[in-house]
This record gives sequence, C-alpha cells and structure tokens, in this order.
Amino acid sequence: GAGVSQSPRYKVAKRGQDVALRCDPISGHVSLFWYQQALGQGPEFLTYFQNEAQLDKSGLPSDRFFAERPEGSVSTLKIQRTQQEDSAVYLCASSLPGTGGSGANVLTFGAGSRLTVL
Amino acid sequence: AQSVTQLDSQVPVFEEAPVELRCNYSSSVSVYLFWYVQYPNQGLQLLLKYLSGSTLVKGINGFEAEFNKSQTSFHLRKPSVHISDTAEYFCAAQGDDKIIFGKGTRLHILP
Repeated sequence: GAGVSQSPRYKVAKRGQDVALRCDPISGHVSLFWYQQALGQGPEFLTYFQNEAQLDKSGLPSDRFFAERPEGSVSTLKIQRTQQEDSAVYLCASSLPGTGGSGANVLTFGAGSRLTVL
Repeated sequence: AQSVTQLDSQVPVFEEAPVELRCNYSSSVSVYLFWYVQYPNQGLQLLLKYLSGSTLVKGINGFEAEFNKSQTSFHLRKPSVHISDTAEYFCAAQGDDKIIFGKGTRLHILP
C-alpha cells in the first residue's frame, strides 16, 4: 500500500476487556515497530519485528501486551485485561532496513490507534 | 543504554524569528539521528536524518540540524519560522536496531 495503515483509529474499551490493534505496513518493508504515545509524551518503544521474527520486545510494559507478525507483513498488537493506564495512542511504523546503504531504520508511521480505557 | 533528551518541552518564538530546538543523545555505539515532526491532529513524519558524512543536514520546510559528536548533540534550527511550523518536534536516535525518541518540544509561534 501507499502508506502504513492502522485500525481501528479509535477504540474505547471497558477495563478488563481485551483489545487487538492492527498494522498494515508498507508493502516490502521488512522492519515493523510498535510504539506507545501517552498524551503529551514522546513515542515509547514497545517491540520490533524483522519479517516475522520478533527481535526485541523489551518495551512491552507487562505480560498483558503481546504482538505478532506471523507472515512477516500485517502485525497485531494485543492487550489483554486492559487497564486505565493503557490509554494512549499506539503507533506502528515500518522501514526498509539499510536505507542509503546504512543500517538505519528510517521510519514511516501510521496515523495511530487511540485507545481509551474506561 | 540509549537515551534522548530534549531540554525544552515548549519553545515560544515570534513569527519570522530564528529558532533552535535542542537535543542531546547518549549511546555507547555509533548512532543514526533523526528529527520527526507531528503537526496538530496528524501522524509523525520525518523532517531530516543524519546517517553519516556531512555533519550539517538539511530537511524539509527549511529546517536543518547539526551533528556534534563531541557534545553528543543534534540541535534543530530554522532561520525564520512561520505560523505553519506550529507542531511538536521529536528527536530520535538509533543505536542498534530500535529507535528511541525524546519527549518532544512543542514549537509555539507567536504572531
């Protein structure tokens, strides 16, 4: 696709519900990142995939958070038993690693999924 | 461990005046450095990047940044701001594969 697509754009969940957020990266982009952005803060790293391999999940705040990318394209971030502190915008970004011959990840972001937990 | 510090959470500046947004990073390995911009109600987009070579890099909308290895800084500058530059600006650094962001600086343009 032309850009990174995220759905849903807005999600309201009751505390304790499970939610699933979808990211459709740019076609051919090998790397995929998830970030959490709280109101007035910068994006906080959650996890990173290269193709279907989850290479780093050090930013996931608890075992209630789970991400997958089974076929190396679309990714889903799942949050179980949501809590109020999970309210944030969840950003997905993808990149072609090695842009310009380097190992740099130049990220293209989606519009984000805004999660509100009541 | 990587970290990115943006020293100012908000910077007010008069229209057509110059501006500098400060960014310092820490990393034990060579880094790639980025500035991203988030306009109101929009997603993050790349403003400019430093990968290697010339320490002065130019980006979109007249912005530029200078990589200073000795001071571990990557400050963003623009000689003359416009009302359309109102946005949140994020500095970011990549030390291994993952990219760490600063907390952001809100640029507030005064008429």
